Amino acid sequence: ETGVTQTPRHLVMGMTNKKSLKCEQHLGHNAMYWYKQSAKKPLELMFVYNFKEQTENNSVPSRFSPECPNSSHLFLHLHTLQPEDSALYLCASRSANNQPQHFGDGTRLSIL
Amino acid sequence: AQSVAQPEDQVNVAEGNPLTVKCTYSVSGNPYLFWYVQYPNRGLQFLLKYITGDNLVKGSYGFEAEFNKSQTSFHLKKPSALVSDSALYFCAVRDMDDTDKLIFGTGTRLQVFP
Repeated sequence: ETGVTQTPRHLVMGMTNKKSLKCEQHLGHNAMYWYKQSAKKPLELMFVYNFKEQTENNSVPSRFSPECPNSSHLFLHLHTLQPEDSALYLCASRSANNQPQHFGDGTRLSIL
Repeated sequence: AQSVAQPEDQVNVAEGNPLTVKCTYSVSGNPYLFWYVQYPNRGLQFLLKYITGDNLVKGSYGFEAEFNKSQTSFHLKKPSALVSDSALYFCAVRDMDDTDKLIFGTGTRLQVFP
């Protein structure tokens, strides 16, 4: 148990659907992250929030829209996704920048 | 450019034998280094870190790693492998230009055979 909870664990959606991924941490961490993990590819950083402010958007397509309403919650809103967006989406959080990131177990997303 | 290299896609070792998973890095300044493990259908779990101090760092599940500044390496080791250690291992270094970020290696799959 890492203290970072992601829901849902699995999601199947069509290309025209709209859905949201949720991440929650009650570790008192200040920074939260979204990563994309695809088979046979390096881990891709998507977004970083520090004290609820977005500090990184790593050239992510606009069909992915993050939201950080408070320091404990992070969402990833999805719309009009493509088949290549099928992947494991991981959320992480950390306290100070010399401390490790704590990861959730991810949402396995499949786009039909 | 800053980077982390894990030169082996897969490492095979017999149970009870020592294991080493290799990692080299390239950053300016003093690195902050991390090892993570990922089991099937799970997220990444933190194993250990090197920030400063003793070059030999001990972590979870009996793992340790040795920081070698001259060789810019941070290899993960365990004296006696278990079948349950079979997983995907990631080395990471803090991005010196953006300290909010980690630079991850591509991962090494460890397979421990009974």
